[in-house]
This record gives sequence, structure tokens and C-alpha cells, in this order.
Amino acid sequence: QSVLTQPPSVSAAPGQKVTISCSGSSSNIGNNYVSWYQQLPGTAPKLLIFENNKRPSGIPDRFSGSKSGTSATLGITGLQTGDEADYYCGTWDSSLSGVFGTGTKVTVL
Amino acid sequence: EVQLVQSGAEVKKPGESLKISCKGSGYSFTTYWIGWVRQMPGKGLEWMGIIYPRDSDTRYSPSFQGQVTISADKSISTAYLQWSSLKASDTAMYYCARLGGYESDYWGQGTLVTVSS
Repeated sequence: QSVLTQPPSVSAAPGQKVTISCSGSSSNIGNNYVSWYQQLPGTAPKLLIFENNKRPSGIPDRFSGSKSGTSATLGITGLQTGDEADYYCGTWDSSLSGVFGTGTKVTVL
Repeated sequence: EVQLVQSGAEVKKPGESLKISCKGSGYSFTTYWIGWVRQMPGKGLEWMGIIYPRDSDTRYSPSFQGQVTISADKSISTAYLQWSSLKASDTAMYYCARLGGYESDYWGQGTLVTVSS
């Protein structure tokens, strides 16, 4: 059902950097803000990034977001074992329906 | 402190009805949209729909239109998700989430719904 495409998985060693892409279209990402969510195993999703590149209070600056055209990217620097989780991008489409990305599993080697 | 507290896990049989809840506290319940999200076992997140508790304006994602009903009772700061006839394929974790703006800034803990004969 998801119309936003993410890589199934990314991995890196502790302390390294990973980036996660989120590809959409002009009817969703191209004309709306993108948010990013972290879902640790067995827990509810948690907001990491909103309005493309803003961090809620309490989210470390190791997490960053950007958007260009119909794609968005989440970056995680200084990777930690506690960052192992599933990450989802999210936005809205032209019919005001919410859409999530397919999800990306981050593994710390 | 903003909190969304969902009702407990449910085990139902196919064809049965069900209504699960999401109670908001720590903020003005009537001035934020509340959304429902499905996560099937081992799968990703899916938006089901959203409701504005002040006037019960409701929007459904196309895949869920006609399959579920979203409602809210602003007098008790609670949103609901209901099914009239459950199917095995409704087995999933269901989350409610507050829309702070264009993003879901607070989430409930989730309600696991299991439908099995």
C-alpha cells in the first residue's frame, strides 16, 4: 500500500554514519512536509524529525533530515547500538491521506 | 505531560464486532487531529484515518474507507476505532497518534487485536 519507497535495510559500525532515503512523488513529498519516525523493537513509533528537518525536544542532533524535490533523507551520525530500530518516513498526499514509507531496518554491526 | 492511553489487547472471532479506544490527556483534546495507524505482524505502518474531535470531521485512507469507523467523544477526550465484522486479516497492532501539525508527535502504546476462530 505504501507509496513512499525506502531501502529495506542499512547497516554500519558503531560511530559511523548511515543515511536512509525516502522516495515519493509530486502528489506527496513534493508538496508536503516530511517527518521521520523511529520504532524500537516491540514499541510504538517515536517522532524523530518533523517539517523535513526539525528535531523535537530531546532528540539528539545526531539525527538530521533533509528534503529535495520528491525525496527526503534521514541521516544518523555517531551510530550507537541503541539506534537499532525500524525507521519510517511519513507525509500526506493530495487527498489528505497520510502515507508512510516502506520502512528501513538499521543494523549496527 | 501529553499522553495517549489505549485500551487493552483483544482476542475476537471472525464476524464479531469490536471498538477500541484512545484517551488523551495533558493537552486540549479538541484542538488536535487524532489518527489511527495499523501495523500488521512483521509489517510496516499504514495510516487508516484521522478525526478532529472538536467537530468529528473524519477522513479515511482509501484502503480503509468502509472497513472501519473512526469516532470521538470530546466530553471524555477519547477517540475510537471500530469494526462491525472482524476478519482474520484485521489481526494487527493498532496505534493512535496525535497530529501536532503535519506530523504525529505523540503516540499511544498500541492495542493488539487478534482475530482467530
